[in-house]
Amino acid sequence: GESVGLHLPTLSVQEGDNSIINCAYSNSASDYFIWYKQESGKGPQFIIDIRSNMDKRQGQRVTVLLNKTVKHLSLQIAATQPGDSAVYFCAESFQGGSEKLVFGKGTKLTVNP
Amino acid sequence: DADVTQTPRNRITKTGKRIMLECSQTKGHDRMYWYRQDPGLGLRLIYYSFDVKDINKGEISDGYSVSRQAQAKFSLSLESAIPNQTALYFCATSEGGQLNTEAFFGQGTRLTVV
Repeated sequence: GESVGLHLPTLSVQEGDNSIINCAYSNSASDYFIWYKQESGKGPQFIIDIRSNMDKRQGQRVTVLLNKTVKHLSLQIAATQPGDSAVYFCAESFQGGSEKLVFGKGTKLTVNP
Repeated sequence: DADVTQTPRNRITKTGKRIMLECSQTKGHDRMYWYRQDPGLGLRLIYYSFDVKDINKGEISDGYSVSRQAQAKFSLSLESAIPNQTALYFCATSEGGQLNTEAFFGQGTRLTVV
């Protein structure tokens, strides 16, 4: 998700529900994408990645969807748990270029018990 | 022990002072990065290094400098700190190349410039 001003987009869900976090990326040449989770007071941690030759990838309780036509990435979390509460960032890189990771602004997910 | 270690974890410094943030890694990765995190702005890349002799500016390098002393060490310096450099700073490493660009982050350094 992209933020406006200094406020992070927020998503609040009930425990057990599915969560969908969205991200619009900027570079149409980007060919590698990652979702990171950042818990309070910690550095970002890798969740799942996807390359541009795929449109869907599944992990444990998480699925990433990539729509290159509209430059959109989403992270789906199944059966959301309180431990999933964190800020989620998408990141993109262009493997044929500088390969550095460029991060989105993040979405804060709150899971209510 | 953490794979990516940042020191100090917290620092308060005065305007105009020189300060160095240190990062060391045990992952054996060639690539190292310094990011800055501000509320609502996500992570912004300051500098990155793909090997010991390689230093590249990121999107917000003004006011910062870096030194890659060894494969495992990458330090960030603020030559003359100013209040708008108050932020959370993260060091990261990656294996890089076509295999994997996943970055591994340190715990962060919270810097306050007063």
